[in-house]
Parts: sequence; C-alpha cells; structure tokens
Amino acid sequence: GENVEQHPSTLSVQEGDSAVIKCTYSDSASNYFPWYKQELGKGPQLIIDIRSNVGEKKDQRIAVTLNKTAKHFSLHITETQPEDSAVYFCAAFLNSGYSTLTFGKGTMLLVSP
Amino acid sequence: EPEVTQTPSHQVTQMGQEVILRCVPISNHLYFYWYRQILGQKVEFLVSFYNNEISEKSEIFDDQFSVERPDGSNFTLKIRSTKLEDSAMYFCASTEGSGYGYTFGSGTRLTVV
Repeated sequence: GENVEQHPSTLSVQEGDSAVIKCTYSDSASNYFPWYKQELGKGPQLIIDIRSNVGEKKDQRIAVTLNKTAKHFSLHITETQPEDSAVYFCAAFLNSGYSTLTFGKGTMLLVSP
Repeated sequence: EPEVTQTPSHQVTQMGQEVILRCVPISNHLYFYWYRQILGQKVEFLVSFYNNEISEKSEIFDDQFSVERPDGSNFTLKIRSTKLEDSAMYFCASTEGSGYGYTFGSGTRLTVV
C-alpha cells in the first residue's frame, strides 16, 4: 500500500516568514495530493490540492509543488500569519483498487507574532 | 458552504459497551468514509461506503466495527464491545466522486474508560 512521510513534525516561524512542509510518497501510481489544515478540536480542512498532471499550483499565499520523478510534494506558505498556526497534513490518493487517502503524520506550524 | 455533520462531538463509554457514531454527509455526495485519529497520530482510513455497501476497509476495521446507512441522510459507525485502544477522534467524510475533494466532519471524540 501507499506510505506517506512528512517533515518536519514541528515548524516555528516568525510572522511574515515563509514556511515549507515536505512529503514523500511510495506508490508512483498515486495521482492526487491534497493538503489539509487541522485546527484544535476540528476536522481536517482541505486547503489546496494538486493532481499528478500538474507540477505546481498556487492559491494566494499557499502553493504546492509536485515532483513525480522523486515522488515528493511540498506545501509553501508565504507571509505567514498567526492564524496559520495549526497542524498541516499531506495525503496521497491512489485511484486504483484501494482508493482512499493515506495521510502523513502531520506538521505543527507555530507562527509567532 | 455544505458541511458534513457529526454527532455527538464527544462520547464517553465504558469498556465493553457498544457505541454508535453518527454522520450526515453532504447531500449530493455518493461516497462516504470513516477515518480515525488517535491522539497525536496520523489520520487513518477505516472504511469507505458506496451504493449501500462497503467498498473498501482497512485492517483496523475488523468484526468489531460496522457501518450502515439506515436512511437517505445518515451514515453510522457502530463499535461493538469497545476497548481502551478505541479511544480516538473519529472523522466522517464524503465525496461526490471516488476519492477527490474529501469534506471532513468535525469529528467525534470517543473516550473509552
């Protein structure tokens, strides 16, 4: 099955800095890679996703890059704000047989004012 | 914006008791899922449900667990004879198509004592 590794486990930045979270996946057939933000006591919320036919996608301060050859994808948050503080999960979706999301272990992002 | 609704938000149960966690998926979604998250760990897939039957399940989803869509709106997860290690956040999710664009509920925190 698919295996997703996520780094770092915690990330502390100053407000206004950029934050980068990296994930690798094991199954080259995975074709969809969403990122979720989870605030305390809430469910994961989709913030951005990318499909395997695209190398990069941007939505305001958030961007995701995908390197299919290396089987890794990254989340980039620019001009971080305190409200960006949360746990971020990457996931990979394998649309073949076991068509479910496999999550990384999460990154706790702390943005200090 | 459409939401996935889960009840209760918190359930405390005695070891060995049965619990039913309830979910109302987004109305035009066809695929339904249960995931769980043990405190501090990654979100793990339990089961997917489509066309009134289980389409896939993980190793975690053993005979202790069952799912049901008793009417046109609710989707339930039943855990028989709960164990201490069943304590976790349980998330329901739904998608319109297979796998893409998951919407998660806010979760039910199950505490087995």
